[in-house]
Amino acid sequence: KQEVTQIPAALSVPEGENLVLNCSFTDSAIYNLQWFRQDPGKGLTSLLLIQSSQREQTSGRLNASLDKSSGRSTLYIAASQPGDSATYLCAVRRIQGAQKLVFGQGTRLTINP
Amino acid sequence: NAGVTQTPKFRILKIGQSMTLQCTQDMNHNYMYWYRQDPGMGLKLIYYSVGAGITDKGEVPNGYNVSRSTTEDFPLRLELAAPSQTSVYFCASSYPGLAGGPIVNEQFFGPGTRLTVL
Repeated sequence: KQEVTQIPAALSVPEGENLVLNCSFTDSAIYNLQWFRQDPGKGLTSLLLIQSSQREQTSGRLNASLDKSSGRSTLYIAASQPGDSATYLCAVRRIQGAQKLVFGQGTRLTINP
Repeated sequence: NAGVTQTPKFRILKIGQSMTLQCTQDMNHNYMYWYRQDPGMGLKLIYYSVGAGITDKGEVPNGYNVSRSTTEDFPLRLELAAPSQTSVYFCASSYPGLAGGPIVNEQFFGPGTRLTVL
């Protein structure tokens, strides 16, 4: 059974710092991995999607990496801003046809001005 | 495009009552999903559908039912509400991609329905 873990559960850093969020999964046979952002009381916004054949994806100040063999992904946020404060969730897709996602519990990120 | 829309945004039910959570997408996506999110937790898949007329169970289907009569709509039914069903419910949709082309499979989420069962 695929399990996805995100550590730490919460992280607080000063504005301007670069930071890394971690995601680990138990079954390396994944189709892709997706990082989401969730603001309080809101839905999920997709940030980056990495296919299993890719090593990383970049969007603006965000960079996500994928190491299937070790069952790990990281989300790197450069020059953090207070507006980056949110919960970040990673999810892996296990089966190509059904596209079912298995989610981690999320990391709640706070950027202090 | 409105994307994925969900109604209602909030609802309080009494134990044993029933209700339907509505989900509609206007992106012509084949695949649709229902998830629930409990406080401080990730999302868990309740049911999913790969096209009109086809539905299947996810991780936590007990106490729920779904139907998919059209591509656009994927309602979730709670027949006998229980306190354990207090949660935030998210609907999502995705497109499987074209044969022979790049497959993206990105899931798009609605804003959620916050349900409390008392």
